[in-house]
Amino acid sequence: DAGITQSPRHKVTETGTPVTLRCHQTENHRYMYWYRQDPGHGLRLIHYSYGVKDTDKGEVSDGYSVSRSKTEDFLLTLESATSSQTSVYFCAISGTDNQPQHFGDGTRLSIL
Amino acid sequence: AQSVTQLGSHVSVSEGALVLLRCNYSSSVPPYLFWYVQYPNQGLQLLLKYTTGATLVKGINGFEAEFKKSETSFHLTKPSAHMSDAAEYFCAVSGRTGYGTLTFGRGTMLLVSP
Repeated sequence: DAGITQSPRHKVTETGTPVTLRCHQTENHRYMYWYRQDPGHGLRLIHYSYGVKDTDKGEVSDGYSVSRSKTEDFLLTLESATSSQTSVYFCAISGTDNQPQHFGDGTRLSIL
Repeated sequence: AQSVTQLGSHVSVSEGALVLLRCNYSSSVPPYLFWYVQYPNQGLQLLLKYTTGATLVKGINGFEAEFKKSETSFHLTKPSAHMSDAAEYFCAVSGRTGYGTLTFGRGTMLLVSP
């Protein structure tokens, strides 16, 4: 299995608080991605990174920011969490832009 | 722009029966196509992929899919379902440019009865 660790695995927080999710990889892969999974929507891309300090927005980026200061870590931040951001968040990595992505085990985030 | 349509949010089969999960895509560039499987409370696992070459692609656990450009389809099949195949299946498309970002279908839950 690809070495991907997401933390925390579960989190419950309140509306308006900041939240940071971490994705850590040991594969030295260039590309990293954040998706959210919601019933009936499949997975939707939030942000992605194609190198250190190189990031771009995905389909559902509003309310989220990301940072990648080193190859192995990709952070997803909700500056002021809202109930609509309750979801399961998945990190994925890929060595090149045409290789399959490998997924972490997900973070279940509940915002009350 | 890309999109994926998976026909049927739930598909039910009996153990030993043929599995057919449908996926149609749209893409403005030649696509890469993928099928992933998700078991409860787990991440997604790659079943198979189409990039170039042979249009019939074989994957893990006895699954295969055929890329049909004229029909813009990439349906997933397995000749004989097993109870362990019960899971949610996602079809995804990626353009040949664009940093490998995936567009997923909404998923199909496969239910297998004894």
